[in-house]
Amino acid sequence: DQQVKQNSPSLSVQEGRISILNCDYTNSMFDYFLWYKKYPAEGPTFLISISSIKDKNEDGRFTVFLNKSAKHLSLHIVPSQPGDSAVYFCAASGVSGAGSYQLTFGKGTKLSVIP
Amino acid sequence: ETGVTQTPRHLVMGMTNKKSLKCEQHLGHNAMYWYKQSAKKPLELMFVYSLEERVENNSVPSRFSPECPNSSHLFLHLHTLQPEDSALYLCASSQDNRQGYQPQHFGDGTRLSIL
Repeated sequence: DQQVKQNSPSLSVQEGRISILNCDYTNSMFDYFLWYKKYPAEGPTFLISISSIKDKNEDGRFTVFLNKSAKHLSLHIVPSQPGDSAVYFCAASGVSGAGSYQLTFGKGTKLSVIP
Repeated sequence: ETGVTQTPRHLVMGMTNKKSLKCEQHLGHNAMYWYKQSAKKPLELMFVYSLEERVENNSVPSRFSPECPNSSHLFLHLHTLQPEDSALYLCASSQDNRQGYQPQHFGDGTRLSIL
């Protein structure tokens, strides 16, 4: 059973508008949440993260919101630019039985920003 | 020099072949990871190494054999693979696998096809 879910496989947004990417999780023991961006033929690139004790983290055009009671997080991109077109992965970080942190990924959402 | 380099980028092999995937990180990190990404599935963690010691093996079949000779290099030795092993194999590194807020940095992956 998937512990991290991104229910929208794709999203199209007009340039200059807001992009909102959503992610839901089931394990309340996750300590950190991260967003990665992936262009075709490249590996995922770290974008922004948030601790489970925070509800918001902002970095330039990117803001991540965390709602712990709903086990939901979202990534807002404002304003969206054509270069933001990529696949966005949500990942949750939690401690394994061996004491090391592991990332659990969602399936990704493909964002297309239309000029 | 990019942070995490993977070779080869593409590999086609028969089920009876033996081949190896190579990963090298130039970031001075202490932890390295192998992931598998199959079509329509999220990234799946395979192995975790910390300071050249394997700390996690997530129920991976023995036909995949990892090796970490030093903290900068990671190999994945492949033998008698099955067609369902065709996937994108990603290597990642992080400063410390015991800190959940440390992001992982990914290579561009090896696209493996089993004939």
